[in-house]
Amino acid sequence: GESVGLHLPTLSVQEGDNSIINCAYSNSASDYFIWYKQESGKGPQFIIDIRSNMDKRQGQRVTVLLNKTVKHLSLQIAATQPGDSAVYFCALGTNAGKSTFGDGTTLTVKP
Amino acid sequence: DTGVSQDPRHKITKRGQNVTFRCDPISEHNRLYWYRQTLGQGPEFLTYFQNEAQLEKSRLLSDRFSAERPKGSFSTLEIQRTEQGDSAMYLCASSLGLADQETQYFGPGTRLLVL
Repeated sequence: GESVGLHLPTLSVQEGDNSIINCAYSNSASDYFIWYKQESGKGPQFIIDIRSNMDKRQGQRVTVLLNKTVKHLSLQIAATQPGDSAVYFCALGTNAGKSTFGDGTTLTVKP
Repeated sequence: DTGVSQDPRHKITKRGQNVTFRCDPISEHNRLYWYRQTLGQGPEFLTYFQNEAQLEKSRLLSDRFSAERPKGSFSTLEIQRTEQGDSAMYLCASSLGLADQETQYFGPGTRLLVL
């Protein structure tokens, strides 16, 4: 079955620096890959996704990179701000429905 | 607010009692999902609906759990004879359910504590 793991459970960065959160997965049968942000007491919030036939996608201050050869996904956040402090999850999705989540990386932004 | 809503936000119950949670998805969304999340973990898939049809259930969904979406709009998740291990955040999400439109939008969750 699917498994998703993040490389580091915690990440601490200085405000203004770039952040990179990594994720590895085991199964190549996903149609797309998603990054979510979850703040304390709230549900996961969609950040950005990437289809399995792409290797890079950019949003506002965020970039997702997908390397299907080594089954690796990363989220890059440019100019990290205190409001970016949260838990970040990668998830594997299929057009058939459910998503499979990893365990999350806690990002702390130091002022 | 046109996002996904869940009710109640918090529920404390005694072991053995039944509880029911409600989820109201984004109005035009055909798919509705239930997930469970325990502290420090990512959400775990429980079940999902395409309109009123329940299309997939995880093996995490024991026979004490039942979910319905009778009119293809709101959904309920019931847990019978609750156990302490049921304590978790129960998350609902919805999506359009169309090709290339599978982004799931989550509600705030219902936090359940079983004493």
